[in-house]
Amino acid sequence: DGGITQSPKYLFRKEGQNVTLSCEQNLNHDAMYWYRQDPGQGLRLIYYSQIVNDFQKGDIAEGYSVSREKKESFPLTVTSAQKNPTAFYLCASSANRKDEKLFFGSGTQLSVL
Amino acid sequence: QKEVEQNSGPLSVPEGAIASLNCTYSDRGSQSFFWYRQYSGKSPELIMSIYSNGDKEDGRFTAQLNKASQYVSLLIRDSQPSDSATYLCAVKGGGGFKTIFGAGTRLFVKA
Repeated sequence: DGGITQSPKYLFRKEGQNVTLSCEQNLNHDAMYWYRQDPGQGLRLIYYSQIVNDFQKGDIAEGYSVSREKKESFPLTVTSAQKNPTAFYLCASSANRKDEKLFFGSGTQLSVL
Repeated sequence: QKEVEQNSGPLSVPEGAIASLNCTYSDRGSQSFFWYRQYSGKSPELIMSIYSNGDKEDGRFTAQLNKASQYVSLLIRDSQPSDSATYLCAVKGGGGFKTIFGAGTRLFVKA
C-alpha cells in the first residue's frame, strides 16, 4: 500500500540534544512538507520541499533543519536551538507543486525530558 | 488577524442532526479550500475540497464557498458518533505553495 511512514511514533529529547524525525513516502510525490501542531492550534509549516535537493523555510523554521537527498525521504532534525520542541509533528506530501491535496503521515509526538 | 479562523467549539449535535462548521479567511487571493478531519491523536485526512463559489456535495458532506464574503463552511448531514473529531479548515493562496490551516473546530455527535 502506498503511503507516508513517520517514525518514531514517540520521541523524547534531552536538553541540548538534536533529534531526527523520519519521513518516508512511496507515493512518488514530488512535494513534501513538515508541520508542527500544538494543542488547540492549527498546523504550522516548518519546511517544505518541491523537488530533490531543494527545500524552503516555512513560517517557523528556526531551530529546525531538513534535507531532501532522495525523493522518498524528507527527515526533520529538531536542534538544540529549538527551545520549545514539545509538539505533534506531521509530515505530508502532495503529487507536485500545483497539486494541493495533502496526504499526511501518522505523526511523531516529541516531548522534552 | 489570523489568516484562517474557525470557532474552536466544541460543537455538540445529536445523532442524525446537521452539523454546520464555519471558517473565514483573510487572503482575498486564495484559490483553494479544504476541509480535513482529524481524530484525537491521529493525523488529518482530507474529506472535501472546493475551488469555486457555491456548493459541492459528497455523500453526507457539503462544502460551501463564498469568496466575496471570504467564507467557507462544511455541512455534515445525518451526523453519526463516528463523525466526532476536529475539523480543520485549510486555505491555499493563488500561486503559493503554502496551505494555511485554521485551529480547527471540535465536533461531538451525541448518540
